[in-house]
Amino acid sequence: GAGVSQSPRYKVAKRGQDVALRCDPISGHVSLFWYQQALGQGPEFLTYFQNEAQLDKSGLPSDRFFAERPEGSVSTLKIQRTQQEDSAVYLCASSFSGSDYNEQFFGPGTRLTVL
Amino acid sequence: DQQVKQNSPSLSVQEGRISILNCDYTNSMFDYFLWYKKYPAEGPTFLISISSIKDKNEDGRFTVFLNKSAKHLSLHIVPSQPGDSAVYFCAALFEGATNKLIFGTGTLLAVQP
Repeated sequence: GAGVSQSPRYKVAKRGQDVALRCDPISGHVSLFWYQQALGQGPEFLTYFQNEAQLDKSGLPSDRFFAERPEGSVSTLKIQRTQQEDSAVYLCASSFSGSDYNEQFFGPGTRLTVL
Repeated sequence: DQQVKQNSPSLSVQEGRISILNCDYTNSMFDYFLWYKKYPAEGPTFLISISSIKDKNEDGRFTVFLNKSAKHLSLHIVPSQPGDSAVYFCAALFEGATNKLIFGTGTLLAVQP
């Protein structure tokens, strides 16, 4: 399949642990987005990459959250010293173009549970 | 402050009837509005969109209506099918540097056979 993939699909962490969530976007897609979806809520924007450049990180909730996309393809969202309020589904999406609006294709998400 | 609101958490409809899902927004500068459908354990999938300069867009069984004066949009599904049962998210965006989506909280649609 040529869709967006994310790994792991499920992650359980003890409070205070660091976690890394991976996103493989659709090949050739310039734009990559991370969203956080808390239980019973809609997805909320975290950060945006155009190729390897992180152009918007206004949605990252704290400095414990860090994202990178070093080669303009795979992206990793890292959460340091996880807290219970970080428990959510983390969704990655990619789209073909940068500046013009293009459909965003979502991955299945990583469900993070912090105990 | 919630810029996109879906005030109905759930909706139940009989198969073959019309489903109407509603969405309200607060910012009149949004350029596009979109509807996404989400099944459990899957990511949202794009359904239909409408530009802010239009008032209607139709794609098969799905029609989206935009009322800019009321800052309201709705998704009509006719006829509804059991496979339409899912969570529907309304989203909006400003076209430009980011194109990030601003989502509502979703409406769970159940289509009864």
